[in-house]
Amino acid sequence: DTAVSQTPKYLVTQMGNDKSIKCEQNLGHDTMYWYKQDSKKFLKIMFSYNNKELIINETVPNRFSPKSPDKAHLNLHINSLELGDSAVYFCASSSQGDTQYFGPGTRLTVL
Amino acid sequence: SQKIEQNSEALNIQEGKTATLTCNYTNYSPAYLQWYRQDPGRGPVFLLLIRENEKEKRKERLKVTFDTTLKQSLFHITASQPADSATYLCALDSGAGSYQLTFGKGTKLSVIP
Repeated sequence: DTAVSQTPKYLVTQMGNDKSIKCEQNLGHDTMYWYKQDSKKFLKIMFSYNNKELIINETVPNRFSPKSPDKAHLNLHINSLELGDSAVYFCASSSQGDTQYFGPGTRLTVL
Repeated sequence: SQKIEQNSEALNIQEGKTATLTCNYTNYSPAYLQWYRQDPGRGPVFLLLIRENEKEKRKERLKVTFDTTLKQSLFHITASQPADSATYLCALDSGAGSYQLTFGKGTKLSVIP
């Protein structure tokens, strides 16, 4: 059973489009995260979210928005995609501040 | 500003030797430090967590030390094997109860048979 799953695994789209990436965790964790890993493999936190609070990294453009329909899901919506958004996006979850479990990643390519 | 530095982008080591990876940080007062392993095309996988009041932690062939005075953590893999080849990331909590982690850029370890 996959603990943290993401769909799609690959996403190729044109500049200017709006897209979503879905994330689900079946670990019963209360906190979920989105990370971006760029071409230099640098992993940067974008958001953390639990049922009380959304914390947004200040460098994330407001074209990116997390949406959580319930505790087990945290989807990432991206509006008006730009070339620089091309990267691998990882979802993760944890029980409060404990260790984080990562999904397999979504490779986004913006043409 | 806060910084996390992993001293080598890449480290090559002979099979059977001990690999030592370094993580230095500045302008942080972390409650804990974590080490993750990342294989190509996969998400990071948690290895070890060490808290600020702990000096050393072990798990099988892995050992982590944490020196809050030097602001440094060392990650050791003893009796290294080719299967240990991967990128190793250190991560610090960002404090203020946010549960967010800030990652170093990683060290790519290659264990040569």
